[in-house]
Amino acid sequence: ETGVTQTPRHLVMGMTNKKSLKCEQHLGHNAMYWYKQSAKKPLELMFVYSLEERVENNSVPSRFSPECPNSSHLFLHLHTLQPEDSALYLCASSQEWLNFYNEQFFGPGTRLTVL
Amino acid sequence: GQQLNQSPQSMFIQEGEDVSMNCTSSSIFNTWLWYKQEPGEGPVLLIALYKAGELTSNGRLTAQFGITRKDSFLNISASIPSDVGIYFCAGDNYGQNFVFGPGTRLSVLP
Repeated sequence: ETGVTQTPRHLVMGMTNKKSLKCEQHLGHNAMYWYKQSAKKPLELMFVYSLEERVENNSVPSRFSPECPNSSHLFLHLHTLQPEDSALYLCASSQEWLNFYNEQFFGPGTRLTVL
Repeated sequence: GQQLNQSPQSMFIQEGEDVSMNCTSSSIFNTWLWYKQEPGEGPVLLIALYKAGELTSNGRLTAQFGITRKDSFLNISASIPSDVGIYFCAGDNYGQNFVFGPGTRLSVLP
């Protein structure tokens, strides 16, 4: 049983919709991450939060807007997405950011389809 | 940025066979990690390696941190059907360059 949960597990949205993905970690970790996993591509790191502060934004389009209200919760707000944004969005957490022991633990992901 | 290569890209094996896969990089890493991902799920951490030359086991899985720090290997002994999935390696340098490989897709034939 994973210590990182994500909701919803599946989401279908139109290009004009606004939706949010939610991630919650029950591991007492201080760092949280959003990844995008597309078919036949390695996992792409999107955002990193450490102690609720965004510390990395890897050239992600502004139609993706992250929010970290506390160290246990992470959101990804979506608006005016494109069909090529369809992918599995994975949330992960680790004990600390910029730590030698940086084992990341993943949630089950949200399968997003943009029509 | 840094990239990892994994080989083979995919493999089909008979149940009971041993499996070997590897991960290579042109750059050195201080940490190597191996994950397994099953359909519809997120990656699950299998083994973490922190020292060059280190050999670590987790049940039927054994992973090694290459002495050059540019590669890592994962072996699975006596494969079973539930070993099916995609195996990802990841390299890390104190959290600053956490990067995943493209994965090795494993299929186990009964």
